[in-house]
Amino acid sequence: DQQVKQNSPSLSVQEGRISILNCDYTNSMFDYFLWYKKYPAEGPTFLISISSIKDKNEDGRFTVFLNKSAKHLSLHIVPSQPGDSAVYFCAASKRSQGNLIFGKGTKLSVKP
Amino acid sequence: SQTIHQWPATLVQPVGSPLSLECTVEGTSNPNLYWYRQAAGRGLQLLFYSVGIGQISSEVPQNLSASRPQDRQFILSSKKLLLSDSGFYLCAYRTRGRPSNGYTFGSGTRLTVV
Repeated sequence: DQQVKQNSPSLSVQEGRISILNCDYTNSMFDYFLWYKKYPAEGPTFLISISSIKDKNEDGRFTVFLNKSAKHLSLHIVPSQPGDSAVYFCAASKRSQGNLIFGKGTKLSVKP
Repeated sequence: SQTIHQWPATLVQPVGSPLSLECTVEGTSNPNLYWYRQAAGRGLQLLFYSVGIGQISSEVPQNLSASRPQDRQFILSSKKLLLSDSGFYLCAYRTRGRPSNGYTFGSGTRLTVV
């Protein structure tokens, strides 16, 4: 049973436009959420995170929104750049356990 | 500074052969260590994690095993590889007491079982 779901396996966006990547979770015990970015043949790198006490966290072109009632979070990239093309993983954890549970990832392609 | 080393980068092994993948961490003490696998269409699947020397927890029953002989060394092994063991294996660590930092991943090992 998947606790973290990324229902879109891929997303294609034009350079300069907004990219919106979505993630849903089922476990209400999750209280920390992260986005990782992964290029082919490399390990994932941390991008941005949000605690359940917040509903928005912004870092440059990247903003993560959390809707606890809907158990939904999203990553917005504005403006999108070709270098943003990668697989983006959503992850969640329970503070008491600490292990990250990942979604299946969404492959973002930003076209020039 | 904190770094994580994982090797080899690529590996082609025949079915039935043994496997040993090694991961070492520098710049932190008593980290939590993790082995993940990325298989086609499966995302990042947690295989094993360790909170201390000799302490291994398995998340998915399978053909693999893990060991932590030293504080900053984590080894993934198999006695006999299966075709289904092919995938991209990632080691990661998390500094103890700082759950909000998430994980730092190694560069991964691409394993192809033929």
